[in-house]
Amino acid sequence: QQQVKQSPQSLIVQKGGISIINCAYENTAFDYFPWYQQFPGKGPALLIAIRPDVSEKKEGRFTISFNKSAKQFSLHIMDSQPGDSATYFCAARGAQKLVFGQGTRLTINP
Amino acid sequence: NAGVTQTPKFRVLKTGQSMTLLCAQDMNHEYMYWYRQDPGMGLRLIHYSVGEGTTAKGEVPDGYNVSRLKKQNFLLGLESAAPSQTSVYFCASSLNNWFTGELFFGEGSRLTVL
Repeated sequence: QQQVKQSPQSLIVQKGGISIINCAYENTAFDYFPWYQQFPGKGPALLIAIRPDVSEKKEGRFTISFNKSAKQFSLHIMDSQPGDSATYFCAARGAQKLVFGQGTRLTINP
Repeated sequence: NAGVTQTPKFRVLKTGQSMTLLCAQDMNHEYMYWYRQDPGMGLRLIHYSVGEGTTAKGEVPDGYNVSRLKKQNFLLGLESAAPSQTSVYFCASSLNNWFTGELFFGEGSRLTVL
């Protein structure tokens, strides 16, 4: 069973547009929600993260929105650029380890 | 600064063969993990270790074994490879329990089982 569900699987956005990726979880014991970015041929790298006592976190063009009651969180990429084209994974931390979503392949068209 | 290094980067095996993937980290991290990445499945945890000499099962441990004899190394073994184990394998590490959400990944090992 997938403890963290991510959608969409793939996303195409025009340069300058907003990219939105959504995740949902079931386990209320999760206590930390990071997003990872992966470029082809590379390992994932931490992009941004949020704790459940905060509803929003912004770092540059990247924002996480967190809805604790709905058990959902999302990544927004403002002014999307071709260099943002990558695979994005949401994750949730519980019991010494991270559980990842299925991943979203994001393509930004120039 | 090597970070997390995985060897080999590519390997082709025949069904039934055995092999070991090596992960080495030079950041003095306590925790180490092995994940596999498959299309549409995301990253799934195989085994992990919270310190030298310790190992624990993740989501998909069947068919794999691990060892952490030295703090800096984490080995993933396949005793009898199966086509279902064709995947990209990633090793990751984190400093300690407080930083388990901040993983540092290697560049991956692509394994094909024929």
